[in-house]
Amino acid sequence: NAGVTQTPKFRILKIGQSMTLQCAQDMNHNYMYWYRQDPGMGLKLIYYSVGAGITDKGEVPNGYNVSRSTTEDFPLRLELAAPSQTSVYFCASSYSIEQPQHFGDGTRLSIL
Amino acid sequence: GQNIDQPTEMTATEGAIVQINCTYQTSGFNGLFWYQQHAGEAPTFLSYNVLDGLEEKGRFSSFLSRSKGYSYLLLKELQMKDSASYLCAALDSNYQLIWGAGTKLIIKP
Repeated sequence: NAGVTQTPKFRILKIGQSMTLQCAQDMNHNYMYWYRQDPGMGLKLIYYSVGAGITDKGEVPNGYNVSRSTTEDFPLRLELAAPSQTSVYFCASSYSIEQPQHFGDGTRLSIL
Repeated sequence: GQNIDQPTEMTATEGAIVQINCTYQTSGFNGLFWYQQHAGEAPTFLSYNVLDGLEEKGRFSSFLSRSKGYSYLLLKELQMKDSASYLCAALDSNYQLIWGAGTKLIIKP
């Protein structure tokens, strides 16, 4: 049972490039989330999804897009990368909002 | 606005007891989570409280007072591996999870 899998683990992008951060879960969870965590800070919610075909904005959605075509996958797209998007990105999933969230190992992204 | 307050950093001695406090101000309340996050790793779930009182899980206990908007995480018999950040998160009336910035706990021998 893999849980939540994020790829890649590390990435360096140039300003203006685009990329997709992949997230997959095999726990049949309805809820999925994308967070960013800057050094020494807490988690900021970027986008979340309550089920396939349904996504909604979190606290810091600007510069990002998501899709949820299947229950398992919840990719995060960065368009026109900016230095302010340098961060660690965590994907998480849960059965419901009141159930614990299971986190992936994170993607460490640097924009130079 | 909605807010979670936790101390930024705490230091404790191996074998001792430490209490990490969390106060929350949210529009409604539907429960409070505690997560542990070791440096460079993902958060992992520790506890969830929705009713007042103390819940114990081995060396870790979590307390909630809904009337006071207050929770604490109590760690007993501290071990070096308990050095980590502890994140408090409250679920508001819209079932949005509001995260605190975390408390970095340093354990000294």
